Amino acid sequence: DQQVKQNSPSLSVQEGRISILNCDYTNSMFDYFLWYKKYPAEGPTFLISISSIKDKNEDGRFTVFLNKSAKHLSLHIVPSQPGDSAVYFCAASKGRATNKLIFGTGTLLAVQP
Amino acid sequence: DVKVTQSSRYLVKRTGEKVFLECVQDMDHENMFWYRQDPGLGLRLIYFSYDVKMKEKGDIPEGYSVSREKKERFSLILESASTNQTSMYLCASSRRGGYTFGSGTRLTVV
Repeated sequence: DQQVKQNSPSLSVQEGRISILNCDYTNSMFDYFLWYKKYPAEGPTFLISISSIKDKNEDGRFTVFLNKSAKHLSLHIVPSQPGDSAVYFCAASKGRATNKLIFGTGTLLAVQP
Repeated sequence: DVKVTQSSRYLVKRTGEKVFLECVQDMDHENMFWYRQDPGLGLRLIYFSYDVKMKEKGDIPEGYSVSREKKERFSLILESASTNQTSMYLCASSRRGGYTFGSGTRLTVV
């Protein structure tokens, strides 16, 4: 039972364009969401997060949007750079303090020069 | 910065062997986790621990056990390794909010 889903296993984007990675969740109790980035042979690194009291959070080139009614979040990367090529995981938890994160299946982003 | 160190980057073990994967964190975090990453399946939680000597099963605990005798160390044990346990194993720690991950251990069971 996949509570957090990333339906696109891969995405290819030209350098300078926008990358949009999508994530859906089924559990309405989730109220804290995160995005992680993973390069091969390395552990995932934290990218950006959002609480359910917000619908948008921005950090430089990265913006996360949350649509609670649709149980959907997305990560926008503008402009995309070749160094952004990695696997991106979204994750969700019930409350920030509980710490147990449920991860999606990941999307492999390839940014073409 | 929090550092999470996994003792081995690559391991090759034989079917039936008992395997120990070690994880150490240096920031006094209460919470530690073991995940495995497989293509198309994402990160799946095996076990986690909120305190010393405390452990809870994650989503896929079968075939695994854990040990947390000290706050900084969380060990994952494969009691009798099988080929379907070939995977990338990732350890993480946190106090609240997001995790800090180790670099992972690529385990191959032959």
